[in-house]
Amino acid sequence: DSGVTQTPKHLITATGQRVTLRCSPRSGDLSVYWYQQSLDQGLQFLIQYYNGEERAKGNILERFSAQQFPDLHSELNLSSLELGDSALYFCASSVRQGDSPLHFGNGTRLTVT
Amino acid sequence: GEDVEQSLFLSVREGDSSVINCTYTDSSSTYLYWYKQEPGAGLQLLTYIFSNMDMKQDQRLTVLLNKKDKHLSLRIADTQTGDSAIYFCAETPESTAGNKLTFGGGTRVLVKP
Repeated sequence: DSGVTQTPKHLITATGQRVTLRCSPRSGDLSVYWYQQSLDQGLQFLIQYYNGEERAKGNILERFSAQQFPDLHSELNLSSLELGDSALYFCASSVRQGDSPLHFGNGTRLTVT
Repeated sequence: GEDVEQSLFLSVREGDSSVINCTYTDSSSTYLYWYKQEPGAGLQLLTYIFSNMDMKQDQRLTVLLNKKDKHLSLRIADTQTGDSAIYFCAETPESTAGNKLTFGGGTRVLVKP
């Protein structure tokens, strides 16, 4: 158990809908990351937060947004969902914002029908 | 640019050693990581090596780093059926902001009894 908790584990929704994925980092970790894993794109970095502030941005679509709250948990919001958004979404956390290992949650599997 | 390459598949007999190879492009990477993903699970941090090291050993795992050739390998001694999984190497390019990891495409390891 990595100590990173993601909910829900599975999510099935229709195209055009909006969903929110939630992540609680390991105790003491200040940095949270979101990754998308799909068969054709592999593991893609979406966004990183450190102590509530956005730190780095990757291949995140404009339809997607995230935030990190004062209690350090994070949410990833996906809107106007398309079939191609079906993927496994991972959250990871680390102690610092640089040079520290990332510990991953078990992911949320999103299926858009 | 950032690019991490791995072979797709490795088949090994139980009890033999496995060697998984990875090449990366960013010579300024400070840390290099190996993660393991079992079916339906998240990414488990196996081990990592700092860029000023050549080798790191952790029980059955040995990581070798050749900075000149930008080559990283993971050796698993006495491979067990429970080692069947996808193994990802990842780098932390210094050229990027934050601490985001760039992952290879993963090597699927199949351990045959």
